[in-house]
Amino acid sequence: DADVTQTPRNRITKTGKRIMLECSQTKGHDRMYWYRQDPGLGLRLIYYSFDVKDINKGEISDGYSVSRQAQAKFSLSLESAIPNQTALYFCATSGQGRRTDTQYFGPGTRLTVL
Amino acid sequence: SQQGEEDPQALSIQEGENATMNCSYKTSINNLQWYRQNSGRGLVHLILIRSNEREKHSGRLRVTLDTSKKSSSLLITASRAADTASYFCATDSAGGTSYGKLTFGQGTILTVHP
Repeated sequence: DADVTQTPRNRITKTGKRIMLECSQTKGHDRMYWYRQDPGLGLRLIYYSFDVKDINKGEISDGYSVSRQAQAKFSLSLESAIPNQTALYFCATSGQGRRTDTQYFGPGTRLTVL
Repeated sequence: SQQGEEDPQALSIQEGENATMNCSYKTSINNLQWYRQNSGRGLVHLILIRSNEREKHSGRLRVTLDTSKKSSSLLITASRAADTASYFCATDSAGGTSYGKLTFGQGTILTVHP
């Protein structure tokens, strides 16, 4: 079984709809991250969480919100989806400590907003 | 803003040749990491080099880091068709509240022809 899972894997929705992307991990990591990737670009950080009670905005948080339901679960919501949120979304996790650890990525969710 | 910038954007070589990708960054770092992404899939960690290290090896991979020039290179020796993928550098910036956050470059698309 994969250590970091994302659901759904693909989603097509319409402008104005609320969408939730879910991420679960079995690695026991404290830190979780949400990124988006657009064609030809690297990954941009949306939100990150260092533990259940610690949630921080990333580079491009406008239009998104998150919920850390448990150590193992981190959800990303688009309250009112718009076409320029069409992208590939990745969840990632990393370990503990002050220094950055390797990040482990989920398989991604391909979101299309019509 | 992108911390890491990669060069070249695309690289096409024959099997057996070496592939070199470069990454430049702007601010002081704790470490620099290289990730690989097969088309449309999640990123996979390849290697991490800390700011006090100059060179690191892992199998056919060799990474160098020059903190005075704020640059790193990834060398893949004796390339194989299976090495075809996008390669991203990611930096963990030093100081402040940046711990645990990676900033990704735009990536180099490597194509290895059989």
